[in-house]
Amino acid sequence: QKEVEQDPGPLSVPEGAIVSLNCTYSNSAFQYFMWYRQYSRKGPELLMYTYSSGNKEDGRFTAQVDKSSKYISLFIRDSQPSDSATYLCAMWTRSARQLTFGSGTQLTVLP
Amino acid sequence: GAVVSQHPSRVICKSGTSVKIECRSLDFQATTMFWYRQFPKQSLMLMATSNEGSKATYEQGVEKDKFLINHASLTLSTLTVTSAHPEDSSFYICSARGTGGYSSPLHFGNGTRLTVT
Repeated sequence: QKEVEQDPGPLSVPEGAIVSLNCTYSNSAFQYFMWYRQYSRKGPELLMYTYSSGNKEDGRFTAQVDKSSKYISLFIRDSQPSDSATYLCAMWTRSARQLTFGSGTQLTVLP
Repeated sequence: GAVVSQHPSRVICKSGTSVKIECRSLDFQATTMFWYRQFPKQSLMLMATSNEGSKATYEQGVEKDKFLINHASLTLSTLTVTSAHPEDSSFYICSARGTGGYSSPLHFGNGTRLTVT
């Protein structure tokens, strides 16, 4: 079993839809949680970063962490074609040498 | 926000030659930088961790004599692919941890697409 599971998609939604992207994890020691957006042939761009259970909002993006269920989500409101990209969840522990990534979800927002 | 600059964005080289890729933290000092490799439609694979002033730590299966890493300053790390072969063709991405130590997220460069002919 992978430490981090992420639905690879692809996910296709109409413009304006609410998008829900999810990751589950098995290592209860994970403390820091990140969502990255990666456009084709570009490096990952940090979207959200959180370390506590609950919701964190930034514009159209909301990151949700549920440590008791080992589950994190990224919600995108009023999705736009420019949101079309691959979304990667990532997490680590304070003592970890490296990030653990999900496999990425490819999202397409249709105009 | 923290900016990581990677250069070049794309390079084509002949088999047997060496290629150097630079990774710079533009507005912060990075004692630790990370080098990743990414194959099409796959997630990032950590190759090595670059520590300023000391030897890099390589992940299992990564040849340290082939992928030379130098982290000579707090803002620059370089990856040199030596004696490149077509199988080394890939997308290489560097990242750096922001100020704040372990609680800081990683920021990534825009990657280097290497093609070995």
